[in-house]
Amino acid sequence: AQSVTQPDIHITVSEGASLELRCNYSYGATPYLFWYVQSPGQGLQLLLKYFSGDTLVQGIKGFEAEFKRSQSSFNLRKPSVHWSDAAEYFCAVGDNYGQNFVFGPGTRLSVLP
Amino acid sequence: DTAVSQTPKYLVTQMGNDKSIKCEQNLGHDTMYWYKQDSKKFLKIMFSYNNKELIINETVPNRFSPKSPDKAHLNLHINSLELGDSAVYFCASSPMTSGGGNEQFFGPGTRLTVL
Repeated sequence: AQSVTQPDIHITVSEGASLELRCNYSYGATPYLFWYVQSPGQGLQLLLKYFSGDTLVQGIKGFEAEFKRSQSSFNLRKPSVHWSDAAEYFCAVGDNYGQNFVFGPGTRLSVLP
Repeated sequence: DTAVSQTPKYLVTQMGNDKSIKCEQNLGHDTMYWYKQDSKKFLKIMFSYNNKELIINETVPNRFSPKSPDKAHLNLHINSLELGDSAVYFCASSPMTSGGGNEQFFGPGTRLTVL
């Protein structure tokens, strides 16, 4: 069974600063990796996903993530954070059958003006 | 057009009551899910249905019973509600293809408060 860890429970950055949110996964086969964002009181929105191919994937809202198989990581990055990026971010890994997702515990991002 | 919708958005009820949450998706997806998000924002899958058949049934009390009348709907019925059931419940759907790894589309959530 797959598992996901997000080592940082809460991160605070200043607006305009760069951001990296960490995600480590465990899965015996080729992982299908996802990053979702949840704004306060809202549902989850997909930022980006990795299935295969180029290990650097681009997503919406200026986010990107890099898959590193050797480190079992799929870290999310953004070069310049905006105040509207303040939210909860979830990394997830899906199985080969498209039936089961496991979410990480989430990282709460706060943005200082 | 709302892709995945849930009703109600908020549900406040007394302990011991029975309640239902409805979910509908208009994406033509084959697979639907229910998740529970606790107060610490931890998301845990409860059930997964594929074409109206139960695929995943995680360890949840049997007071929770999903019902899928057709592949566009997956409702969650909860009997004898307890304080610990208070949470946000999310419905989601995904297409089912042989390659796996399909993203899930989430509804807006239903905040259940048990008094």
